[in-house]
Amino acid sequence: SAVISQKPSRDICQRGTSLTIQCQVDSQVTMMFWYRQQPGQSLTLIATANQGSEATYESGFVIDKFPISRPNLTFSTLTVSNMSPEDSSIYLCSVVSGQKNTGELFFGEGSRLTVL
Amino acid sequence: GQQVMQIPQYQHVQEGEDFTTYCNSSTTLSNIQWYKQRPGGHPVFLIQLVKSGEVKKQKRLTFQFGEAKKNSSLHITATQTTDVGTYFCAGQSGNTGKLIFGQGTTLQVKP
Repeated sequence: SAVISQKPSRDICQRGTSLTIQCQVDSQVTMMFWYRQQPGQSLTLIATANQGSEATYESGFVIDKFPISRPNLTFSTLTVSNMSPEDSSIYLCSVVSGQKNTGELFFGEGSRLTVL
Repeated sequence: GQQVMQIPQYQHVQEGEDFTTYCNSSTTLSNIQWYKQRPGGHPVFLIQLVKSGEVKKQKRLTFQFGEAKKNSSLHITATQTTDVGTYFCAGQSGNTGKLIFGQGTTLQVKP
């Protein structure tokens, strides 16, 4: 299993500002993912955070808007840049435990962002 | 791209009634996973199905993976108020590790 600490747990942000979310895992993992969950909706994959290289973004998400860092095998950050009210959402960090590429995902508690 | 469709979106049942949610993928999956999210919480893994036609049980929950590995279902027998939450299926293709989630089925159980 994996224990994930994510912060901030929630924040209220002003339009046009940027916020960085941190994700810390209690063990080394190969696969880290960032998901977005808009109110009452499902989880949408933003990107796969790759250690030592650029993140791999899904269709509809770009690096300029959601820059991601992955400096080591236990930590990643997601920045939501130039925020608008449409970015109000829960952002979730998730990992596949250990060095596997497939298997169950463990999720952080999520970061609930409200953009005014 | 890959899509995972899930129905129904909502289900209200009386405590003791059964509940089923269905999941269909646009592509063949290497495995399918099911998660439960309680209100205000994060998704929690329930089970993973890998083999064609696989059936797994967890107490009152029965999970099935279709023969073509493109569909799946979760059936809960005799629902309880503790079953309340949103149930998501999530499909995995290949070896990339990433999961594509269905829209979820939100279950409400009336005592």
